[in-house]
Amino acid sequence: DMKVTQMPRYLIKRMGENVLLECGQDMSHETMYWYRQDPGLGLQLIYISYDVDSNSEGDIPKGYRVSRKKREHFSLILDSAKTNQTSVYFCASSTGVNQDTQYFGPGTRLLVL
Amino acid sequence: QQQVRQSPQSLTVWEGETAILNCSYEDSTFNYFPWYQQFPGEGPALLISIRSVSDKKEDGRFTIFFNKREKKLSLHITDSQPGDSATYFCAASWYNQGKLIFGQGTKLSIKP
Repeated sequence: DMKVTQMPRYLIKRMGENVLLECGQDMSHETMYWYRQDPGLGLQLIYISYDVDSNSEGDIPKGYRVSRKKREHFSLILDSAKTNQTSVYFCASSTGVNQDTQYFGPGTRLLVL
Repeated sequence: QQQVRQSPQSLTVWEGETAILNCSYEDSTFNYFPWYQQFPGEGPALLISIRSVSDKKEDGRFTIFFNKREKKLSLHITDSQPGDSATYFCAASWYNQGKLIFGQGTKLSIKP
């Protein structure tokens, strides 16, 4: 059963706190992604990971960093969270990068106060 | 600058009617256009996709019409069902790149 999981599903943090969002997939996919979704803006790519320790910035990487030490696991880190990072964050994975289907997780709703 | 644009923002049709969702793009080098369907509280899921070498792609009640010259495409949902109520995202990408550029979405509501 192909699945992308995200933890936690809901998170409330205060401005300046550190945030760790975790993503896992059981499909041995090489490529993983972090997006954020805001009303009226669709999904915006934060980071893309081509494999373990092979990460590239997406369109809006500022204020975020990522870590991928195992193929099945991809983390998004917010150092000193800001209120404008309140959003819904989605992780996705795909077999490769050649226009392969991206499989999305259920999302993490983050509120930064 | 929004590279992929969708219209309308929201659309309501009656059950059994055809819903038409529109998408346009800026970059003529895009060559792959997936449509993703998202239900509330869930992540998006691939619904149907088309490559720029084709002008039409059908999958059951869902059809993409693609006009390369005008840089436009549309998703037609025939015999709309209440279960089709969701937000639909048009996206675009280049060959051999995983990065997808998403439109802002169209929220579709089907009235029974």
